[in-house]
Amino acid sequence: NAGVTQTPKFQVLKTGQSMTLQCAQDMNHEYMSWYRQDPGMGLRLIHYSVGAGITDQGEVPNGYNVSRSTTEDFPLRLLSAAPSQTSVYFCASSRNRGGNTIYFGEGSWLTVV
Amino acid sequence: AQTVTQSQPEMSVQEAETVTLSCTYDTSESNYYLFWYKQPPSRQMILVIRQEAYKQQNATENRFSVNFQKAAKSFSLKISDSQLGDTAMYFCAPYNNNDMRFGAGTRLTVKP
Repeated sequence: NAGVTQTPKFQVLKTGQSMTLQCAQDMNHEYMSWYRQDPGMGLRLIHYSVGAGITDQGEVPNGYNVSRSTTEDFPLRLLSAAPSQTSVYFCASSRNRGGNTIYFGEGSWLTVV
Repeated sequence: AQTVTQSQPEMSVQEAETVTLSCTYDTSESNYYLFWYKQPPSRQMILVIRQEAYKQQNATENRFSVNFQKAAKSFSLKISDSQLGDTAMYFCAPYNNNDMRFGAGTRLTVKP
């Protein structure tokens, strides 16, 4: 049972480059989301999805793009990386948006130089 | 938007003793959920306990329990019989309508 799988685990980007963080879950969860965690802070919601074909913005969406073409996958795209996007990124999923347990991936460490 | 305050940036406790981590939050919603997550040095987010705001009974999960005061918007976590493996960052997180907000966390160290 893999749960929530994120790739890559570590990535270094140059300013202005684009990249995609991959997230997949094998629990048939409707709800998926992306968070970022900056040093000394809690997680902040970037984007979320309540089902295939449906996405919406969270607290800090600027500079990021998402899509949800299947139930399993929810990639996060950085359009033009900036040093301010250096952070740890977490993907999460839950059965639905009704307050069920939210399961997190192991995190992706991104450094933008 | 919900705001979350964890007023204790760092705490320490002796092994086998009890410790309480505090959390207050601000929300205009009447129906919501509250979570405590643990983050060890590996950075993995691990669910500790979950509370439904419409339930008056405080949630309990083995050595972990909460004191939920809805009117005061307070959601503290009590850890009994602390173990070395409890050393971690602990985050309080209210959740409502697709929006989960996290506090800045409390770093708990359990000393042998």
